[in-house]
Amino acid sequence: DVKVTQSSRYLVKRTGEKVFLECVQDMDHENMFWYRQDPGLGLRLIYFSYDVKMKEKGDIPEGYSVSREKKERFSLILESASTNQTSMYLCASSPFRGLEEQYFGPGTRLTVT
Amino acid sequence: GDSVTQMEGPVTLSEEAFLTINCTYTATGYPSLFWYVQYPGEGLQLLLKATKADDKGSNKGFEATYRKETTSFHLEKGSVQVSDSAVYFCALRNTGTASKLTFGTGTRLQVTL
Repeated sequence: DVKVTQSSRYLVKRTGEKVFLECVQDMDHENMFWYRQDPGLGLRLIYFSYDVKMKEKGDIPEGYSVSREKKERFSLILESASTNQTSMYLCASSPFRGLEEQYFGPGTRLTVT
Repeated sequence: GDSVTQMEGPVTLSEEAFLTINCTYTATGYPSLFWYVQYPGEGLQLLLKATKADDKGSNKGFEATYRKETTSFHLEKGSVQVSDSAVYFCALRNTGTASKLTFGTGTRLQVTL
């Protein structure tokens, strides 16, 4: 079974802190994605990566950056956390080609106070 | 651009009732269509998918048929259970988009005894 793990289920940070969210997948997938999920807005794509050291902006990249140094690991970085970044963050991975779906991690609920 | 529209929830049903959750999409080309389910406190899991027109996806008693003429992918189940209570997301993936998914806003289903 594909497994996507996220470093924390719950995280509480203060405004202005630098925050790292880590995601690891064990299926050698090329593509990895970061989404945020908010009530009434569904899932919105923040960043994605289709290869090591490659990244592309999604629909809402402002205030975020990412790092992909190894194929299995994709990190989301909040350079200076703000209260409007309080949300559920979901990581996903998928093979580069074919019709396969995305596989999701359990999510990290981040609260910025 | 691509978009997915789902019926707004919450949808509240009694156990053994018939379920329909409407989903329509706007996309150029020939997208693949997906239903994901999110149980409380968890990440998203793929429920079913369809990759071309007239395909029917099915899983765990749920079904959805890819209707290109009406650009729809409605989710149905003949007899819901309390354990089906979750949030359901319709999504599409278009060709040439590096496996990016476009999600609807989600529909919360609550099933009562």
